[in-house]
Amino acid sequence: GAVVSQHPSRVICKSGTSVKIECRSLDFQATTMFWYRQFPKQSLMLMATSNEGSKATYEQGVEKDKFLINHASLTLSTLTVTSAHPEDSSFYICSARLGQGARGYGYTFGSGTRLTVV
Amino acid sequence: AQSVTQLDSQVPVFEEAPVELRCNYSSSVSVYLFWYVQYPNQGLQLLLKYLSGSTLVKGINGFEAEFNKSQTSFHLRKPSVHISDTAEYFCAVSDPGGYQKVTFGTGTKLQVIP
Repeated sequence: GAVVSQHPSRVICKSGTSVKIECRSLDFQATTMFWYRQFPKQSLMLMATSNEGSKATYEQGVEKDKFLINHASLTLSTLTVTSAHPEDSSFYICSARLGQGARGYGYTFGSGTRLTVV
Repeated sequence: AQSVTQLDSQVPVFEEAPVELRCNYSSSVSVYLFWYVQYPNQGLQLLLKYLSGSTLVKGINGFEAEFNKSQTSFHLRKPSVHISDTAEYFCAVSDPGGYQKVTFGTGTKLQVIP
């Protein structure tokens, strides 16, 4: 089935540095990718929607200059957390839409990235 | 706008007992409904989805859910749970139009007791 590979699974970085998280669709073309953030024991909060070859659409309250999203190809989307601070520590998950909306296979998710900023 | 409510944050249940995880949604348009399972430090795995047609949807691992439009509910059920079902379960709704963003509920932690 459709698989999204997300790397790294865990990353620890120093405050003020930048971290890049990659999501690759392994056996399909991901026209649209979603990036979520999940706080401990909470639900997934949509951060942004990225479409291949165009600018990402950010949800209200998400700093687009801090969370840079690039979707340069149909198989790769990246999220870069710039100038990370401890409050950015969280679990980040990407998701790719399959088919035409949910009429196809639905959505498939990456395995997530645990970011810890110290 | 659409929203999802999962009233139970935690549901403890003994092994081999039945379980129901509740989900209610609100939306001004037709919706697609999903249930996902998340194991610790992992992404989400689709259990089942309702797009249209039969209101009783069967998914993986013996789970099923019933779409009830009048009650705006999509409760998840399993007749006999196993230890391996211990996980976080998320109900989600998607708007068929636009970017079809998925809105998640707050999750229900299913704790299966041996």
